[in-house]
Amino acid sequence: QVQLQESGPGLVKPSETLSLTCTVSGGSISSYYWSWVRQPPGKGLEWIGYISDSGSIKYNPSLKSRVTISVDMSKNQFSLKLSAMTAADTAVYYCARRGYLDLWGRGTLVTVSS
Amino acid sequence: DIVMTQSPDSLSVSLGERATINCKSSQSVLYNSNNKNSLAWYQQKPGQPPKVLIYWASTRESGVPDRFSGSGSGTDFTLTISSLQAEDVAVYYCQQYYSDPWTFGQGTKVEI
Repeated sequence: QVQLQESGPGLVKPSETLSLTCTVSGGSISSYYWSWVRQPPGKGLEWIGYISDSGSIKYNPSLKSRVTISVDMSKNQFSLKLSAMTAADTAVYYCARRGYLDLWGRGTLVTVSS
Repeated sequence: DIVMTQSPDSLSVSLGERATINCKSSQSVLYNSNNKNSLAWYQQKPGQPPKVLIYWASTRESGVPDRFSGSGSGTDFTLTISSLQAEDVAVYYCQQYYSDPWTFGQGTKVEI
């Protein structure tokens, strides 16, 4: 069955750029919407943005100036870049599929610290 | 942005009893074109990603026990657990995917 797996650094220094990749296995990335969602420790869920099967990209305005989402069809992956990281960006970052998020990765904890 | 507000923030229910969680959106999430509400419910247990229970406000995801049901339309929605089981202890979130930015409620913690 289709599975999602996030990968990337677990520790990022303040002001640096976070780069995460979500690998889609068992299915094609050429369909559906693909999102990034994050969750600070002990807090709720925040949608970061999505890239659609038609190539449309939407970002949360709260992060828009710092976020870039892209897709690599050849690798069946999509990626997140978040610049100018601060301690407030410390969170578990998830990748997920569709508008109603029916499939999630296990998440990766990213800590921002010097 | 559409603001999603859940109530209550936490809920303590006896085993076998009914649990009801409410979710209110700051504007309608009903698509008039297909008469569907772009509203989903998730369950999250500690250390796990959220799991979708209900989408389109009332469609149960495959494999989800039928004690979970969703109702409502427009701006007011409800998740009902008809007979609470021990494994239902979790935090529950509603989410609108009607318009971006997609937004979540703050979560409701369900305890025994």
